[in-house]
Amino acid sequence: GAVVSQHPSRVICKSGTSVKIECRSLDFQATTMFWYRQFPKQSLMLMATSNEGSKATYEQGVEKDKFLINHASLTLSTLTVTSAHPEDSSFYICSARKDTEQYFGPGTRLTVT
Amino acid sequence: EDKVVQSPLSLVVHEGDTVTLNCSYEVTNFRSLLWYKQEKKAPTFLFMLTSSGIEKKSGRLSSILDKKELSSILNITATQTGDSAIYLCAVAGGSNYKLTFGKGTLLTVNP
Repeated sequence: GAVVSQHPSRVICKSGTSVKIECRSLDFQATTMFWYRQFPKQSLMLMATSNEGSKATYEQGVEKDKFLINHASLTLSTLTVTSAHPEDSSFYICSARKDTEQYFGPGTRLTVT
Repeated sequence: EDKVVQSPLSLVVHEGDTVTLNCSYEVTNFRSLLWYKQEKKAPTFLFMLTSSGIEKKSGRLSSILDKKELSSILNITATQTGDSAIYLCAVAGGSNYKLTFGKGTLLTVNP
């Protein structure tokens, strides 16, 4: 199989603090990982593409200094939401690419108070 | 810019009905079209389609891709209340197989 985990599954933080979300491919190596954001009643929106060992490619309108992505190994990518604000509250989902398919993590629900 | 359009955006049916969900796309360097079912958490994979005209089936669900029309349909026969969910269509494009999602179809199956 191809399993992707995310941690934490749910996090509540105060406005102004930073939050780190981890995405791991458990049984395969993923040269490419993707980070998505989903607001209530909306579809998944790609935030950035993360390639191991190189800088992430951000989609238009996504602030790279606010959403820091690190893909340090073939099985781990992290997304850090810096200086979080209530409008960053959302469901963050990662996926890892294996050959031609993508496998999704279970998602992280971030609430910023 | 890559685009995926799904229709209808929402649909309410009775148990036992058959539904057809539509997806059309404009994508640079098309790789594949995927269907997902999303309930309360992350999407779960249903189908991946790469070849035109070949139907994929899984139980009561089936899907087919038409590369000439740049579209796909997802059929669900004999619907059950457990089929109630958002059905997402996504298209993978480019060297990274980046996914572009449609807005989804919210399906509600009433008993």
